[in-house]
Amino acid sequence: AQKVTQAQTEISVVEKEDVTLDCVYETRDTTYYLFWYKQPPSGELVFLIRRNSFDEQNEISGRYSWNFQKSTSSFNFTITASQVVDSAVYFCALSEGLAGNMLTFGGGTRLMVKP
Amino acid sequence: DAGVIQSPRHEVTEMGQEVTLRCKPISGHNSLFWYRQTMMRGLELLIYFNNNVPIDDSGMPEDRFSAKMPNASFSTLKIQPSEPRDSAVYFCASSDPGELYQETQYFGPGTRLLVL
Repeated sequence: AQKVTQAQTEISVVEKEDVTLDCVYETRDTTYYLFWYKQPPSGELVFLIRRNSFDEQNEISGRYSWNFQKSTSSFNFTITASQVVDSAVYFCALSEGLAGNMLTFGGGTRLMVKP
Repeated sequence: DAGVIQSPRHEVTEMGQEVTLRCKPISGHNSLFWYRQTMMRGLELLIYFNNNVPIDDSGMPEDRFSAKMPNASFSTLKIQPSEPRDSAVYFCASSDPGELYQETQYFGPGTRLLVL
């Protein structure tokens, strides 16, 4: 069975600090996909990134970066120079197998960025 | 392009009433998902459709819940009769068939349901 753990339920930082959100996953499949979604205070779920299990390259998009390490079953998300607008709940999710459409979400990490 | 559209955005009803939530997926997407979000249980998949056919409904909590997808551009999630414990945010998501193997799900804004 697949499982996603986000051990940090809540993180508070001051603007311009860097922050890393942890995500640890469990799966028996060799083919799987990992996702990060953002849920701002307005409530919608916004897709941020998708990685497949065959691609361990880290990815950077502006102030956002992701570190995928199969050896530790982790897919961590770092925000550099955080801003107040980054305040949201961030969810990590996992989908197993080929054409695996069912997402299992972690419990989410609430990030509060204070001015 | 328009994203996933859900209606209503907010619904307040009394216990025992029927509730119908509606979803219009992104045009061209062939998979549709219904999720429920609560403080206690987080985000849970209720049911998903592929090409309008229900594939997995193991997450549907009980017989009071039913979902339909009569065509590629419309789905409903119905609760009858509703109970206070059904209060939650219900999300609809759809995914794009154009990507090999794995399809990214794009979410609607959600329907916030309160059952009194």
